[in-house]
Amino acid sequence: GNSVTQMEGPVTLSEEAFLTINCTYTATGYPSLFWYVQYPGEGLQLLLKATKADDKGSNKGFEATYRKETTSFHLEKGSVQVSDSAVYFCALPHSNQGGKLIFGQGTELSVKP
Amino acid sequence: EAQVTQNPRYLITVTGKKLTVTCSQNMNHEYMSWYRQDPGLGLRQIYYSMNVEVTDKGDVPEGYKVSRKEKRNFPLILESPSPNQTSLYFCASSLFREGEQYFGPGTRLTVT
Repeated sequence: GNSVTQMEGPVTLSEEAFLTINCTYTATGYPSLFWYVQYPGEGLQLLLKATKADDKGSNKGFEATYRKETTSFHLEKGSVQVSDSAVYFCALPHSNQGGKLIFGQGTELSVKP
Repeated sequence: EAQVTQNPRYLITVTGKKLTVTCSQNMNHEYMSWYRQDPGLGLRQIYYSMNVEVTDKGDVPEGYKVSRKEKRNFPLILESPSPNQTSLYFCASSLFREGEQYFGPGTRLTVT
Protein backbone atom coordinates (compact mmCIF):
# COMPACT_ATOMS: atom_id res chain seq x y z
CA GLY A 1 0.00 0.00 0.00
CA ASN A 2 0.87 3.65 -0.11
CA SER A 3 3.34 4.98 2.42
CA VAL A 4 5.39 8.09 3.11
CA THR A 5 8.70 8.67 4.83
CA GLN A 6 9.54 12.11 6.08
CA MET A 7 12.71 13.69 7.36
CA GLU A 8 12.81 13.70 11.12
CA GLY A 9 13.14 16.88 13.08
CA PRO A 10 13.38 19.09 14.82
CA VAL A 11 14.96 21.48 12.35
CA THR A 12 16.28 24.79 13.64
CA LEU A 13 17.19 27.54 11.18
CA SER A 14 18.04 31.20 11.32
CA GLU A 15 15.74 33.68 9.64
CA GLU A 16 16.33 33.96 5.86
CA ALA A 17 17.98 30.54 5.68
CA PHE A 18 17.07 28.01 2.98
CA LEU A 19 14.74 25.21 4.00
CA THR A 20 14.46 21.68 2.68
CA ILE A 21 12.30 19.01 4.30
CA ASN A 22 12.65 15.64 2.61
CA CYS A 23 9.70 13.42 1.80
CA THR A 24 9.74 10.17 -0.15
CA TYR A 25 6.77 8.00 -0.94
CA THR A 26 5.74 4.54 -2.09
CA ALA A 27 2.54 4.44 -4.07
CA THR A 28 0.37 2.44 -6.38
CA GLY A 29 -0.03 4.56 -9.46
CA TYR A 30 0.43 8.32 -9.25
CA PRO A 31 -1.74 9.71 -6.48
CA SER A 32 -1.89 13.35 -5.48
CA LEU A 33 0.72 14.45 -2.94
CA PHE A 34 0.24 17.02 -0.19
CA TRP A 35 2.10 19.11 2.32
CA TYR A 36 0.22 20.21 5.42
CA VAL A 37 1.33 22.70 8.07
CA GLN A 38 0.31 22.81 11.72
CA TYR A 39 1.00 26.05 13.54
CA PRO A 40 1.19 25.92 17.35
CA GLY A 41 -2.21 25.32 18.89
CA GLU A 42 -3.97 24.98 15.55
CA GLY A 43 -5.27 22.30 13.22
CA LEU A 44 -3.65 21.10 10.03
CA GLN A 45 -3.86 23.36 6.99
CA LEU A 46 -3.18 22.35 3.44
CA LEU A 47 0.01 24.16 2.40
CA LEU A 48 0.34 22.91 -1.16
CA LYS A 49 -0.41 19.96 -3.39
CA ALA A 50 0.60 18.34 -6.67
CA THR A 51 -1.76 16.13 -8.59
CA LYS A 52 0.52 14.50 -11.16
CA ALA A 53 4.15 13.75 -11.92
CA ASP A 54 6.36 16.80 -12.56
CA ASP A 55 3.74 19.12 -11.09
CA LYS A 56 5.06 21.83 -8.81
CA GLY A 57 2.87 22.93 -5.94
CA SER A 58 3.55 26.33 -4.39
CA ASN A 59 2.10 28.57 -1.71
CA LYS A 60 3.42 31.23 0.69
CA GLY A 61 6.91 30.94 -0.80
CA PHE A 62 7.03 27.16 -0.29
CA GLU A 63 7.45 24.80 -3.23
CA ALA A 64 7.47 21.07 -3.82
CA THR A 65 7.86 19.13 -7.06
CA TYR A 66 6.28 15.73 -7.65
CA ARG A 67 9.19 13.61 -8.87
CA LYS A 68 8.27 10.09 -9.93
CA GLU A 69 11.87 9.11 -10.84
CA THR A 70 13.02 9.58 -7.26
CA THR A 71 9.55 9.10 -5.66
CA SER A 72 10.09 12.33 -3.77
CA PHE A 73 8.12 15.45 -2.88
CA HIS A 74 10.61 17.59 -0.95
CA LEU A 75 9.42 20.86 0.55
CA GLU A 76 11.59 23.93 -0.03
CA LYS A 77 11.58 27.59 0.81
CA GLY A 78 14.26 30.03 -0.17
CA SER A 79 14.13 32.32 2.86
CA VAL A 80 12.32 31.25 6.00
CA GLN A 81 10.74 33.61 8.50
CA VAL A 82 10.07 33.27 12.20
CA SER A 83 6.38 32.95 11.33
CA ASP A 84 7.14 29.72 9.43
CA SER A 85 7.85 27.94 12.72
CA ALA A 86 5.44 25.01 12.69
CA VAL A 87 5.18 21.29 12.13
CA TYR A 88 5.09 20.16 8.49
CA PHE A 89 3.50 16.92 7.30
CA CYS A 90 3.86 15.17 3.97
CA ALA A 91 0.81 13.10 2.97
CA LEU A 92 -0.75 11.01 0.22
CA PRO A 93 -4.06 9.15 -0.17
CA HIS A 94 -4.48 5.63 1.18
CA SER A 95 -4.30 3.11 -1.64
CA ASN A 96 -7.53 1.30 -0.82
CA GLN A 97 -9.57 3.42 1.55
CA GLY A 98 -11.27 6.46 0.14
CA GLY A 99 -11.14 9.63 2.21
CA LYS A 100 -8.05 8.66 4.17
CA LEU A 101 -4.64 10.28 4.01
CA ILE A 102 -1.37 8.63 5.02
CA PHE A 103 0.76 11.16 6.91
CA GLY A 104 4.45 11.31 7.55
CA GLN A 105 5.57 11.68 11.15
CA GLY A 106 5.89 15.43 10.84
CA THR A 107 8.93 17.70 10.92
CA GLU A 108 9.07 20.45 13.49
CA LEU A 109 10.65 23.62 12.18
CA SER A 110 11.88 26.36 14.48
CA VAL A 111 13.11 29.61 12.94
CA LYS A 112 15.20 31.91 15.13
CA PRO A 113 15.47 35.67 14.55
CA GLU B 1 -16.64 30.67 4.83
CA ALA B 2 -15.86 27.04 4.01
CA GLN B 3 -14.81 25.31 7.19
CA VAL B 4 -14.86 22.33 9.51
CA THR B 5 -15.94 23.15 13.05
CA GLN B 6 -15.46 21.10 16.19
CA ASN B 7 -16.84 21.52 19.65
CA PRO B 8 -15.72 21.71 22.32
CA ARG B 9 -12.16 22.89 21.73
CA TYR B 10 -11.05 21.82 25.19
CA LEU B 11 -12.56 19.23 27.48
CA ILE B 12 -11.50 17.80 30.81
CA THR B 13 -13.55 14.88 32.05
CA VAL B 14 -13.39 11.87 34.33
CA THR B 15 -13.09 8.20 33.54
CA GLY B 16 -16.35 6.62 32.49
CA LYS B 17 -18.38 9.76 31.85
CA LYS B 18 -19.83 9.57 28.34
CA LEU B 19 -18.99 12.45 26.04
CA THR B 20 -19.56 13.57 22.46
CA VAL B 21 -17.33 15.75 20.33
CA THR B 22 -19.24 17.34 17.49
CA CYS B 23 -17.93 17.94 13.98
CA SER B 24 -19.65 19.82 11.22
CA GLN B 25 -18.62 20.85 7.69
CA ASN B 26 -20.34 23.28 5.36
CA MET B 27 -18.70 22.18 2.10
CA ASN B 28 -21.06 19.32 1.19
CA HIS B 29 -18.17 16.87 1.41
CA GLU B 30 -18.78 13.15 1.03
CA TYR B 31 -15.89 11.91 3.15
CA MET B 32 -15.29 12.65 6.81
CA SER B 33 -12.74 11.28 9.26
CA TRP B 34 -11.66 11.48 12.85
CA TYR B 35 -7.98 11.42 13.78
CA ARG B 36 -6.12 11.52 17.05
CA GLN B 37 -2.70 13.08 17.37
CA ASP B 38 -0.29 11.92 20.04
CA PRO B 39 3.38 12.83 20.55
CA GLY B 40 5.63 10.35 18.83
CA LEU B 41 2.71 8.53 17.21
CA GLY B 42 1.69 11.08 14.62
CA LEU B 43 -1.84 11.21 13.25
CA ARG B 44 -3.91 8.05 13.46
CA GLN B 45 -7.34 7.62 11.95
CA ILE B 46 -10.10 6.52 14.32
CA TYR B 47 -13.16 6.22 12.09
CA TYR B 48 -14.19 7.44 8.69
CA SER B 49 -17.35 7.88 6.68
CA MET B 50 -17.89 7.76 2.94
CA ASN B 51 -21.42 9.13 3.04
CA VAL B 52 -24.56 9.30 5.14
CA GLU B 53 -25.06 6.10 7.13
CA VAL B 54 -21.79 4.65 5.81
CA THR B 55 -18.98 4.47 8.36
CA ASP B 56 -16.03 2.19 8.96
CA LYS B 57 -13.19 1.64 11.37
CA GLY B 58 -9.84 3.31 10.93
CA ASP B 59 -6.58 2.33 12.60
CA VAL B 60 -7.53 2.86 16.26
CA PRO B 61 -11.32 2.51 16.66
CA GLU B 62 -11.41 0.82 20.09
CA GLY B 63 -13.34 2.84 22.65
CA TYR B 64 -14.97 5.14 20.09
CA LYS B 65 -18.24 5.32 18.19
CA VAL B 66 -19.40 7.52 15.36
CA SER B 67 -22.57 8.20 13.43
CA ARG B 68 -23.36 9.95 10.14
CA LYS B 69 -27.04 10.74 10.06
CA GLU B 70 -26.61 13.94 8.08
CA LYS B 71 -24.00 14.72 5.48
CA ARG B 72 -22.61 17.72 7.32
CA ASN B 73 -22.24 16.18 10.81
CA PHE B 74 -19.96 13.44 12.07
CA PRO B 75 -19.90 13.28 15.89
CA LEU B 76 -17.35 11.25 17.82
CA ILE B 77 -18.71 9.45 20.87
CA LEU B 78 -16.71 8.11 23.79
CA GLU B 79 -19.11 5.88 25.74
CA SER B 80 -16.75 5.28 28.66
CA PRO B 81 -13.63 7.42 28.34
CA SER B 82 -10.37 6.21 29.82
CA PRO B 83 -7.11 8.06 30.49
CA ASN B 84 -5.46 6.51 27.42
CA GLN B 85 -7.92 8.48 25.30
CA THR B 86 -6.34 11.72 26.45
CA SER B 87 -5.28 13.21 23.15
CA LEU B 88 -5.75 15.92 20.53
CA TYR B 89 -8.60 15.05 18.18
CA PHE B 90 -9.17 16.33 14.66
CA CYS B 91 -12.12 16.02 12.37
CA ALA B 92 -11.51 16.27 8.63
CA SER B 93 -13.52 16.21 5.45
CA SER B 94 -12.86 15.86 1.73
CA LEU B 95 -14.91 16.07 -1.42
CA PHE B 96 -13.10 13.46 -3.45
CA ARG B 97 -11.93 9.97 -2.64
CA GLU B 98 -8.25 10.92 -3.06
CA GLY B 99 -8.55 14.64 -2.58
CA GLU B 100 -7.13 16.96 0.03
CA GLN B 101 -8.69 16.93 3.45
CA TYR B 102 -9.84 19.98 5.36
CA PHE B 103 -9.26 19.86 9.08
CA GLY B 104 -11.10 21.28 12.03
CA PRO B 105 -9.25 23.27 14.72
CA GLY B 106 -8.92 20.31 17.06
CA THR B 107 -10.34 19.22 20.41
CA ARG B 108 -7.93 18.70 23.28
CA LEU B 109 -9.38 16.03 25.54
CA THR B 110 -8.06 15.15 28.99
CA VAL B 111 -9.50 12.14 30.83
CA THR B 112 -8.55 11.89 34.50
